[in-house]
Amino acid sequence: GEDVEQSLFLSVREGDSSVINCTYTDSSSTYLYWYKQEPGAGLQLLTYIFSNMDMKQDQRLTVLLNKKDKHLSLRIADTQTGDSAIYFCAERGPQGGKLIFGQGTELSVKP
Amino acid sequence: EAGVAQSPRYKIIEKRQSVAFWCNPISGHATLYWYQQILGQGPKLLIQFQNNGVVDDSQLPKDRFSAERLKGVDSTLKIQPAKLEDSAVYLCASSLPQGGNYGYTFGSGTRLTVV
Repeated sequence: GEDVEQSLFLSVREGDSSVINCTYTDSSSTYLYWYKQEPGAGLQLLTYIFSNMDMKQDQRLTVLLNKKDKHLSLRIADTQTGDSAIYFCAERGPQGGKLIFGQGTELSVKP
Repeated sequence: EAGVAQSPRYKIIEKRQSVAFWCNPISGHATLYWYQQILGQGPKLLIQFQNNGVVDDSQLPKDRFSAERLKGVDSTLKIQPAKLEDSAVYLCASSLPQGGNYGYTFGSGTRLTVV
């Protein structure tokens, strides 16, 4: 079946690194995504990783994928107060193209 | 490029009333999705269109929800009659249909409150 799990909350201090974790169940997922949602706003694509990769870096963002354990993580370096938001992990299977989302991790950045 | 447009932005209705939401996807995006996001949860797919045909509506409560995409462009999602548990943000997204990592673009959503 399809299921994506995330921890609900994470609190860090400004300047620290944040690591948000996600587990998924569909081993046939082709792409995995991280989205950011600020209060009252839609979903903003942050980054994605193809399932045959194990790491992707994009400026302050690093995505790690462990296919064996079906574990995905998002590391945000030098976290800023503007990074405070809800972060969603999502998987896309090989057919249909729909995204399956986790329940979101609320990141709180304290000055 | 213009983003995915949705309207209205907010809607408050009483239970048992009907409501409709509208979505205009990015030009050239053949695939359109409607997601329901209940407060504190991740978005859940309600229906997926490819052009004006339905690809997946397995999670759509068909006794009260309906959606159409005439001419393969704009789409409307209707709820009739609404229940309290339909209070949520309704997100529309669009994407190119085939292969690779086609990007999904989400609209800002319509926040529905049923009282």
